[in-house]
Amino acid sequence: AQSVAQPEDQVNVAEGNPLTVKCTYSVSGNPYLFWYVQYPNRGLQFLLKYITGDNLVKGSYGFEAEFNKSQTSFHLKKPSALVSDSALYFCAVRDSGNTPLVFGKGTRLSVIA
Amino acid sequence: NAGVTQTPKFRVLKTGQSMTLLCAQDMNHEYMYWYRQDPGMGLRLIHYSVGEGTTAKGEVPDGYNVSRLKKQNFLLGLESAAPSQTSVYFCASRIDRGRGDTQYFGPGTRLTVL
Repeated sequence: AQSVAQPEDQVNVAEGNPLTVKCTYSVSGNPYLFWYVQYPNRGLQFLLKYITGDNLVKGSYGFEAEFNKSQTSFHLKKPSALVSDSALYFCAVRDSGNTPLVFGKGTRLSVIA
Repeated sequence: NAGVTQTPKFRVLKTGQSMTLLCAQDMNHEYMYWYRQDPGMGLRLIHYSVGEGTTAKGEVPDGYNVSRLKKQNFLLGLESAAPSQTSVYFCASRIDRGRGDTQYFGPGTRLTVL
């Protein structure tokens, strides 16, 4: 069975500082990993995904994520946080076949001016 | 191209009432999904469909039924609503080109059961 863990419910960071939102996963085969962002009272928006290839994936709004197979992690990063990045972030994984995405519980990011 | 749309946006029900949530997508996607979002629980899969006329149970299917009579629509039904079904419901869809396909989400339906 596939699963995702987001160990931090809340991450606080000062504007202009780098940010990291952590995600670890468990799958039986090769992982397909996704990050989504949810702004208040909105649906989930796709940020980026890892399928294969380069371990550093670049996505929307300046976000990137690093796939680490040995640590089974897929942490979301941004070099310089903006107040407008404040939102709820979800990591998700799919392994094989036609299985739906399995989501973590989400991490609330708060960027303080 | 409207993407994934959901109707209604908000609804208040009394315990025991029934209702149907409609999800529509205009991207010709094969797969469609219904999730519920509750505080601290993330998104949990209720039911999903891998094509017109097919449905399958997800993680939390009890108390819900679904139908996929047309490829572009995926309906979620509550036959007898309970307060535990108070939640935000999200529909999603994806094309069938491989395991790396992105799921696209609708704006959500906020349901309150009194």
